[in-house]
Amino acid sequence: EADIYQTPRYLVIGTGKKITLECSQTMGHDKMYWYQQDPGMELHLIHYSYGVNSTEKGDLSSESTVSRIRTEHFPLTLESARPSHTSQYLCASSENGRGGRVGNEQFFGPGTRLTVL
Amino acid sequence: KNQVEQSPQSLIILEGKNCTLQCNYTVSPFSNLRWYKQDTGRGPVSLTIMTFSENTKSNGRYTATLDADTKQSSLHITASQLSDSASYICVVSDRGSTLGRLYFGRGTQLTVWP
Repeated sequence: EADIYQTPRYLVIGTGKKITLECSQTMGHDKMYWYQQDPGMELHLIHYSYGVNSTEKGDLSSESTVSRIRTEHFPLTLESARPSHTSQYLCASSENGRGGRVGNEQFFGPGTRLTVL
Repeated sequence: KNQVEQSPQSLIILEGKNCTLQCNYTVSPFSNLRWYKQDTGRGPVSLTIMTFSENTKSNGRYTATLDADTKQSSLHITASQLSDSASYICVVSDRGSTLGRLYFGRGTQLTVWP
């Protein structure tokens, strides 16, 4: 069981609300990631971070923002939620190291299921 | 276009039976291929990982194969159990980026009936 946590697990919220999805890991990993996953579809990378004060946008355009002030914490924020943001959001982390190495496994959190009404 | 294609999209088998899931990829340059198991409402968990030089890797009742020439992989599940019901995702990593970018298939939804 990976030591990566996400809260809340489920969130139902009205349009226009500001929300923050929390992600924390206790493995000391430098790299962290946010993915978006719709039912029956592949995971899409929306944000990633190489370490503290590093954030980058992923492959899928997202209106969300992220911050990385501490190594273990990588929250995702939506300033104004819309129904199109309804999805599952998965956080992951991996050890630092050159990309593509065998040991660079990504460990996933349990996910947050977001529903915007 | 998704660079990782999985088949079948869904599969129903009876408890105790075997099954094989398929994965074709076009990711290049190839680094490694992982099979993940994702239970409903949970994050994916890695089952096996294979590099270019590996043809077979086992993890208990799960056996993965890789043909790097044809860019195909399979996951064979032996003597299925009810707890095997989950989505099985093929994930390919490329060798060209410092991020270690992952390319995800859409998964095969496996249901094991008693």
